[in-house]
Amino acid sequence: GAGVSQSPSNKVTEKGKDVELRCDPISGHTALYWYRQSLGQGLEFLIYFQGNSAPDKSGLPSDRFSAERTGGSVSTLTIQRTQQEDSAVYLCASSSRLAGGDGVNIQYFGAGTRLSVL
Amino acid sequence: AQSVTQPDIHITVSEGASLELRCNYSYGATPYLFWYVQSPGQGLQLLLKYFSGDTLVQGIKGFEAEFKRSQSSFNLRKPSVHWSDAAEYFCAVGARGYSTLTFGKGTMLLVSP
Repeated sequence: GAGVSQSPSNKVTEKGKDVELRCDPISGHTALYWYRQSLGQGLEFLIYFQGNSAPDKSGLPSDRFSAERTGGSVSTLTIQRTQQEDSAVYLCASSSRLAGGDGVNIQYFGAGTRLSVL
Repeated sequence: AQSVTQPDIHITVSEGASLELRCNYSYGATPYLFWYVQSPGQGLQLLLKYFSGDTLVQGIKGFEAEFKRSQSSFNLRKPSVHWSDAAEYFCAVGARGYSTLTFGKGTMLLVSP
């Protein structure tokens, strides 16, 4: 696609329910990142994919959070048993070595999914 | 560990006035530095980046930034602000390859008439 696409754009759920957030990266981008943006907290790194594998998942805040990527393209971030503190905007970004020339990382972001846990 | 500090949470500038947004970083090696802008309800858009070479880099929308190694700073500037520049601005530091970016907490720019 022309840019990084995320769906849904807004999600309201009840505490304790599971949610799935989807990210469709720029075509051909091999790296994919998930961030969480809470009010006044900037962007918090969650997980990074290179192809279908996740060499860095150090930012996932608890075992309720998981993510997968299939076919080197679409990624899904799943939050189980949602809590009110999970309310935030979840941003996805993708990058390609080619875009960065000598391999420097330039990340392109989607518009995010705003998650509200009631 | 790398870190980014944006000392100003909010800045208000009159339309037509000049702008400088501050960014200080902490990183052990040569940093790669970025400025992103986020308009309400939108994702982050890359304004400019510094990888190497000339320490004054030009970006989109008339923005520029200067890398000062001695001060560990990468401040963003614009000579004349337009109302459409009102947004949140994020500074980020990264490294070669596919490593993650570390972001500052952002500076919200308000433009007064």
